Parts: sequence; C-alpha cells; structure tokens
Amino acid sequence: SQQGEEDPQALSIQEGENATMNCSYKTSINNLQWYRQNSGRGLVHLILIRSNEREKHSGRLRVTLDTSKKSSSLLITASRAADTASYFCATAPFTGNQFYFGTGTSLTVIP
Amino acid sequence: DTAVSQTPKYLVTQMGNDKSIKCEQNLGHDTMYWYKQDSKKFLKIMFSYNNKELIINETVPNRFSPKSPDKAHLNLHINSLELGDSAVYFCASSPRTRSWNTEAFFGQGTRLTVV
Repeated sequence: SQQGEEDPQALSIQEGENATMNCSYKTSINNLQWYRQNSGRGLVHLILIRSNEREKHSGRLRVTLDTSKKSSSLLITASRAADTASYFCATAPFTGNQFYFGTGTSLTVIP
Repeated sequence: DTAVSQTPKYLVTQMGNDKSIKCEQNLGHDTMYWYKQDSKKFLKIMFSYNNKELIINETVPNRFSPKSPDKAHLNLHINSLELGDSAVYFCASSPRTRSWNTEAFFGQGTRLTVV
C-alpha cells in the first residue's frame, strides 16, 4: 500500500501552543502535501513541499521533509481555536497521477 | 463560485439500488479524482481520470464506475449498493499531472448512507 501514516492520531493543545504532526510514507515521491479538513467539510490544501526541498514555511505553518527517512512534519505555531481540524499528508509519486493520503491527525485547540 | 461542486450533499438509499453522484469543476483542470472516506476518516483513492486516461484502484469493486461526459465533469455511478458502501465520497481535481506544483482541490463531499 502507498498509504502514509500519521502520528499522533489525535492531539489536544491549549491555544497559543505549537502543534506538531508527523507523516511517514513508503515509496519515492515527487512532492508531499498537507491538507486540512474541518468537520463535515472537504479538504483544503495548505502547503506543498517538493522532494528536493527540506523545509518550507507558509504563515504559521512550517513543513519539513526528510526523504532518507521518508517522513515529514507539520508544525503549526501559536495555535488558535480555529486550527481545530483534521490534518492529512498526501504524497504524489513520480509515476501515475494520484495522491495518496495519510491516516490523518485530529487536532483540537482548546481556547 | 464553487470551484469543485458535488451533488447531492447527502444521499440515503436502500441496499440494492443504483445511484449517481455528480461532480463538476470550473477550474479548467485536466485531472479529476474520486476518493472514499470511511468512518475512521481514512481517505482512499478510487479513480483518477485525465484526458481519457482512467486509472482505477484495483481494490474498487466494479459496481463503481466513473463517467466523464467532458473535461469538467466526472460522475460516479454505483450499482447494487451495499451497506459497506456507506461513506463520504469526495471529488477532487488538479491542474496537471506529473508536475512539481500540483495540488488537489476538493469538493465538499457526498455523505452516502445505505440502509
């Protein structure tokens, strides 16, 4: 299976704290992406990191990628209650045209 | 305007029925997808369709069939519905394939309940 895995499965933090989620995958990738899903809604793209990049920033988001370990992390700094959602990593392989999603991390930010 | 729209948002139907979910994207994208999300939020690719090239996940039962009347639409037909088909189905699109800068845009999902 090309499905990735994320940990933790669930994370609960206080507003203002940082949240870190990890993603591991199994095959070589073209890029890795992170998505957010609010309850009952579709997925929204957050950030994309290419396989030749090691770190990327977007606002309060910081993503790292270690292709030797086939892993990525998403850091959300200074969390807000509105960040409460499920977060998924998705990998795009070099062959084929599909995205493979991880199992997701459910983040709860307590006001 | 909604970029990727799915209809219906909710669908409740009996076992054995045949149903369709429609998807339209107004982004001019080349590739469209169908994903199934189960009760544990596990997202599984079902199909991807790009300019007449259909890639099917081999684990998807042949009761499921995608139909693309044109580049902007990819509908999902399901025959002989089973209880295990209950899930949320997401349509998505992306601008191009095998590209460094490809992200997917998702619809709001269709919650299918088979009773």
